[in-house]
Amino acid sequence: DGGITQSPKYLFRKEGQNVTLSCEQNLNHDAMYWYRQDPGQGLRLIYYSQIVNDFQKGDIAEGYSVSREKKESFPLTVTSAQKNPTAFYLCASSIGQAQETQYFGPGTRLLVL
Amino acid sequence: GENVEQHPSTLSVQEGDSAVIKCTYSDSASNYFPWYKQELGKRPQLIIDIRSNVGEKKDQRIAVTLNKTAKHFSLHITETQPEDSAVYFCACSYDKVIFGPGTSLSVIP
Repeated sequence: DGGITQSPKYLFRKEGQNVTLSCEQNLNHDAMYWYRQDPGQGLRLIYYSQIVNDFQKGDIAEGYSVSREKKESFPLTVTSAQKNPTAFYLCASSIGQAQETQYFGPGTRLLVL
Repeated sequence: GENVEQHPSTLSVQEGDSAVIKCTYSDSASNYFPWYKQELGKRPQLIIDIRSNVGEKKDQRIAVTLNKTAKHFSLHITETQPEDSAVYFCACSYDKVIFGPGTSLSVIP
């Protein structure tokens, strides 16, 4: 559990503002993922990265952006183009390919003011 | 596109009874099938997984069965306890992981 961290735990966004969610892992994992979870819903993939300096869009990438400059870090920016950003955001990592266990961070709850 | 269906969406059982959750998937190339448990306000955690070359796997009170021909797999929890109450997600993957919508399990003492 302690190998992947997210901050902050709660984040408030004002109208028209971009906000960045942090995700860091010390598990030496190559792959990292961002998911969005709405109340009573499953996990929807936003972006994923299998190697440094490379990432792919998931199912709901519109209004979000990511970077992967370091193996340990995979920050997610929620842009003003995302009109309904209120959700629970989960970051995960895995050793490599999709056929490996994903380890999740504790999540960030984003709320709109 | 690929999708995973999961049933039931909610499940209530008496303590000590068994619980079964079933998932069906569409991508026949899927070869890895994990199950995650998410307690209220917590992160999902892997509880058991199975790969396509295996039909069944058991870990104490938890078991998973896989039928690749029918493209479905199931989670079985025996002798349920109140601490089993949580949301359970199935998933399948080939080149990326796709999660089911989740089953909310309540174990009534």
